[in-house]
Amino acid sequence: SQQGEEDPQALSIQEGENATMNCSYKTSINNLQWYRQNSGRGLVHLILIRSNEREKHSGRLRVTLDTSKKSSSLLITASRAADTASYFCATDGYGQNFVFGPGTRLSVLP
Amino acid sequence: EAQVTQNPRYLITVTGKKLTVTCSQNMNHEYMSWYRQDPGLGLRQIYYSMNVEVTDKGDVPEGYKVSRKEKRNFPLILESPSPNQTSLYFCASSLGPGTIIDFGPGTRLTVL
Repeated sequence: SQQGEEDPQALSIQEGENATMNCSYKTSINNLQWYRQNSGRGLVHLILIRSNEREKHSGRLRVTLDTSKKSSSLLITASRAADTASYFCATDGYGQNFVFGPGTRLSVLP
Repeated sequence: EAQVTQNPRYLITVTGKKLTVTCSQNMNHEYMSWYRQDPGLGLRQIYYSMNVEVTDKGDVPEGYKVSRKEKRNFPLILESPSPNQTSLYFCASSLGPGTIIDFGPGTRLTVL
């Protein structure tokens, strides 16, 4: 029962550019989270946004949530080589556990 | 240090030989879960536990067992591993649904 779907599957940009990845989901959610995974390692939490919030910022990260369109976006500004990783959105419905999407692979080229 | 630990980190085994991957967290989290990660499929939940002695199937529970006898531990058991269970496995914990999830470092399992 995959809930979140990230788009694009892969993204390649130059250092200094902005990277935008999107997440679409199917059913109502309580909140949505974004995680980062460096190759083969554990996932690291980035941002949690609740269903009654529209936008959140954390450093160079900006997350938006549009519950009417059932979608979220993650923007990484002024990207660095160290941002190269896979990014996942995770959604939970009311009373349900988290479900992760297949992820977006971001490559930031020096 | 607050963390989720998994052991072993790497394991190569043969078909049919029972194995257990241990998972432990020191954050007093109620909620624990196991995921497997395969190329192109992202993370798929195997089992989760909302509390001690309470476990539920995730999306891909076939071939796996879990137990939650203590709050801090949530071992994953493969009674008779098969090659299609070759994967990268993650244990995770959180205070509860809708809260930040802490992940373990992963266990790379190869079943020959």
